[in-house]
Formats: sequence, structure tokens, C-alpha cells
Amino acid sequence: EPEVTQTPSHQVTQMGQEVILRCVPISNHLYFYWYRQILGQKVEFLVSFYNNEISEKSEIFDDQFSVERPDGSNFTLKIRSTKLEDSAMYFCASSEGTVVHEQFFGPGTRLTVL
Amino acid sequence: GENVEQHPSTLSVQEGDSAVIKCTYSDSASNYFPWYKQELGKGPQLIIDIRSNVGEKKDQRIAVTLNKTAKHFSLHITETQPEDSAVYFCAASSPRRGGNKLTFGTGTQLKVEL
Repeated sequence: EPEVTQTPSHQVTQMGQEVILRCVPISNHLYFYWYRQILGQKVEFLVSFYNNEISEKSEIFDDQFSVERPDGSNFTLKIRSTKLEDSAMYFCASSEGTVVHEQFFGPGTRLTVL
Repeated sequence: GENVEQHPSTLSVQEGDSAVIKCTYSDSASNYFPWYKQELGKGPQLIIDIRSNVGEKKDQRIAVTLNKTAKHFSLHITETQPEDSAVYFCAASSPRRGGNKLTFGTGTQLKVEL
């Protein structure tokens, strides 16, 4: 069964450093998302991406964040200068379309900013 | 924007009993309501969803009901088993051109006791 994969599973970084989180969405899906979950809290939307551009972003997704689909399979989230409060689980998700709504989530990357 | 409330935050049931989790939403334009199960250290897994053109959907031991007028929807799990123990999240989304942002509830920790 196709699934969303994410690497790395755990990333530890120093405050102020840049990190890139990687995702491989399900191959025939066209819509891609990043969400985050601070420990013990609910899942929060960060950004949606379609046709090589951002469709929607939340207030969390400020200038320090960017997304890219560098090739036909990968979808990345970059945080330029990490802050302590960026520590969270980051989930990538993908969906086939907007009529077929189902979003499938990856296993997540735990980001720890020291 | 959309706001999703979820109750209860924790729920403990005996094996074989039923469990009910309730959510309310605020945006009358929302038309898609998925439920996700999240096990410790894993990403959210879609277990059932419902669209606004139906009032109820069932899949084996899991059912979801939707009341559009009252803007609330519920997850029902019958004949609970220990492997049902997890955190359950409801979510809502409304149609968008570039992808469907999910707004999540705060989660329910379900514990099924032997």
C-alpha cells in the first residue's frame, strides 16, 4: 500500500541553524501539506502546496519557513534560522485532489532545537 | 477561520463497551470531516471520514454521524478492544482551490481497559 515517507525521523539542531525536512508523498497525489504538532498538543496546519506553488499558509508559516518540490518525488520544508519554539513533530501529508479529500500523513520528523 | 472543539479530552472504557467522541465546528462552509487515530510516536492515520451530503457513515465497528444544522459530528466505536487505545483527532475542512487545509480538534486520549 502506498504511503508517505519522511526523513529524518529525528533531527537535533542548534538554535539559529537551518534545517531541511524531507518528504516523499504518494506518487499520484497532487496536493502536499506540512503540519506540525507540539508535544501533547493538536496538529496545526502550516502550508499547502499545489502546482509548484503555495496555495495557503498559516500565520505560523512566516519568512523563516519555505517549501519546495525540487524534483518529481520530494517535497521539502526548510526552516532558515531555527528557534527553540520550532521544536515539534512535523508531518507531511498528501492528497489526490480536492474533490477526493483524503489526506494521508507520513510518520513525522521530530525536530529538537537546542 | 474554522475552529474545532473536541470532547472529552480523555476517555476510559472497559473492553467491549462503546466509546463516543464529539466535535463541533464553526465554519458553515466546512464540508469534509475526517477522523484520525494517532498511536504513540506515529503520524495520524485516517480511520473514517464523512462529507456534508450524508448524515452517517459506518465501517465495521466505527461510525461517524454529522449534524450540519448544529455543526457537530461524532465518532462512535463499538465493541472496543485494547488496540483501539490511542489519541483520536477530529478535523474539518472547506473547499479550496489549492488544497484542503485541515483544522484539527484538540484530541481525545482513549484508553480501553481489560
